[in-house]
Amino acid sequence: EAGVAQSPRYKIIEKRQSVAFWCNPISGHATLYWYQQILGQGPKLLIQFQNNGVVDDSQLPKDRFSAERLKGVDSTLKIQPAKLEDSAVYLCASSLSGTPNYGYTFGSGTRLTVV
Amino acid sequence: AQSVTQLDSQVPVFEEAPVELRCNYSSSVSVYLFWYVQYPNQGLQLLLKYLSGSTLVKGINGFEAEFNKSQTSFHLRKPSVHISDTAEYFCAVSDRDSGYSTLTFGKGTMLLVSP
Repeated sequence: EAGVAQSPRYKIIEKRQSVAFWCNPISGHATLYWYQQILGQGPKLLIQFQNNGVVDDSQLPKDRFSAERLKGVDSTLKIQPAKLEDSAVYLCASSLSGTPNYGYTFGSGTRLTVV
Repeated sequence: AQSVTQLDSQVPVFEEAPVELRCNYSSSVSVYLFWYVQYPNQGLQLLLKYLSGSTLVKGINGFEAEFNKSQTSFHLRKPSVHISDTAEYFCAVSDRDSGYSTLTFGKGTMLLVSP
């Protein structure tokens, strides 16, 4: 089966600019996650979708980050305006259901550098 | 709230030697436990998971881990490592009883295998 697709793979922007990342999960996976992985740290959950509804966005900095999954399939994560500390790898993952025992499948990530 | 501590940020080892990567977790509820591996510029790949039953779990690539409830540990082991095992390894925990639970990751351990 096709994996989780993410684009772009790399992005360099100046601070205060905006950026968007795209994720297409595995077909049939109802749950989609966005994680932020800062260099030297483990991934941190930003937002979890179940179909097109938000289940958990408690760690999403809502003053600058937004995410949507309008048709319950692919998703977009946006940062506006970007700060230097947003430099990280943004990982998208999907799973069949909302419980991790089914296993997550991760994409290769988007590496964002804010200069 | 759950947390994961990976005690070693880096573990250097020679090829064909055994290795143990340590993981301790903190949680007030029953948990599922996972080990993921991340190769350079790639997403995370599931190595193994503990859901229930036998406390010794075998995964891919010859890795195994043992769940120790009394010590709240889930250490990862391999009896003989290869150069290709060089990667970052993440321990993760999730709440067993929550309907929509997510993974909480440790900071990772970089396994460096040299000839």
